[in-house]
Amino acid sequence: EDKVVQSPLSLVVHEGDTVTLNCSYEVTNFRSLLWYKQEKKAPTFLFMLTSSGIEKKSGRLSSILDKKELSSILNITATQTGDSAIYLCAVEASGAGSYQLTFGKGTKLSVIP
Amino acid sequence: DTGVSQDPRHKITKRGQNVTFRCDPISEHNRLYWYRQTLGQGPEFLTYFQNEAQLEKSRLLSDRFSAERPKGSFSTLEIQRTEQGDSAMYLCASSSGYQETQYFGPGTRLLVL
Repeated sequence: EDKVVQSPLSLVVHEGDTVTLNCSYEVTNFRSLLWYKQEKKAPTFLFMLTSSGIEKKSGRLSSILDKKELSSILNITATQTGDSAIYLCAVEASGAGSYQLTFGKGTKLSVIP
Repeated sequence: DTGVSQDPRHKITKRGQNVTFRCDPISEHNRLYWYRQTLGQGPEFLTYFQNEAQLEKSRLLSDRFSAERPKGSFSTLEIQRTEQGDSAMYLCASSSGYQETQYFGPGTRLLVL
């Protein structure tokens, strides 16, 4: 059974801090790893990673995939209160023509002023 | 609005009633997915369509659940004889053939009393 584990489950930081969120996975037929941000609504896509060691970056957010270690990290620098959300890691596995996502439980990030 | 839309956004029903949700994917996305998310958990895959064909169903999808995508555009998810355990957020996502990133709709929050 495919499995995605995120850590920590929750994190409280002060504005301006840098945070690192972790995601590890065990899936068959790995295709890609995705990060989503979820506030009080549906998940919003952040990054898709398919190749190991390549950093994807968008503003203060960046992510790297380590296919050897079956893991990924999401970094957020100079955190702001607007970064407060649940960050979901999902792994896409291919098989029988489908591309279903298996999600972790998420990391709840709270950024306090 | 070119995003994924879902209707209704909220639904309250009594145990034993039938409910139907609708999802309109991003136009020209040929893949459509249904997920269910309960409090404190990441989304769980339910089923997946490529055009009008339902290609995969999770074992989470009991016989009371049925999904259709009759013309390869919008999709409906019906739950018959609802139970309190069906209370959850039902998320729809769509993706295109070559990009494959799944973009989520706002979800339908179901409460079964």
